[in-house]
Amino acid sequence: AQTVTQSQPEMSVQEAETVTLSCTYDTSENNYYLFWYKQPPSRQMILVIRQEAYKQQNATENRFSVNFQKAAKSFSLKISDSQLGDTAMYFCAFIQGAQKLVFGQGTRLTINP
Amino acid sequence: DSGVTQTPKHLITATGQRVTLRCSPRSGDLSVYWYQQSLDQGLQFLIHYYNGEERAKGNILERFSAQQFPDLHSELNLSSLELGDSALYFCASSHRTEGRAGELFFGEGSRLTVL
Repeated sequence: AQTVTQSQPEMSVQEAETVTLSCTYDTSENNYYLFWYKQPPSRQMILVIRQEAYKQQNATENRFSVNFQKAAKSFSLKISDSQLGDTAMYFCAFIQGAQKLVFGQGTRLTINP
Repeated sequence: DSGVTQTPKHLITATGQRVTLRCSPRSGDLSVYWYQQSLDQGLQFLIHYYNGEERAKGNILERFSAQQFPDLHSELNLSSLELGDSALYFCASSHRTEGRAGELFFGEGSRLTVL
């Protein structure tokens, strides 16, 4: 069974700093997708970034980028120039084929002014 | 706005009661997923429907059931409610054909409080 592990329950940084959230996953498959979702206090689940496993190039969305290490089964999220609005729970998630989306337990990120 | 609509947004009920949560997926999306998120927890997969058929079950209690109707909307039925069923229930949809994976679009969730 696929599993997703986020080893950092909480993180806190100052505004404008760069922060990296860690995620590892376990699968025996070769083709799959990885995602980072953000859940602000409103509780809405918002897609931040996605990565296709067959692509070697790391995905980037404005201030958000990932470091995808397929052999190591690692998928970290880097937030550059962090803003107060980035304060949220961040969930790493994995999906393969027609299977369900599996989530990690989340990292609570606080951006301090 | 993800395009996924969930009703009701909030629901307060008593132990032993039964409730129905409704989800309308994005236009054209054939897959509907239900997830449960208890306080400060991750999202736990409950069940997946594709074009009216059940495709996968997660840790869904026997007291819970779901279905997807011909118009593709879905309902999650929770019966004999217990205090521990209090949670945020998310519906997500995806335009996925067989063998292809893609992102899920989440509704705003239905917050259930059992007193």
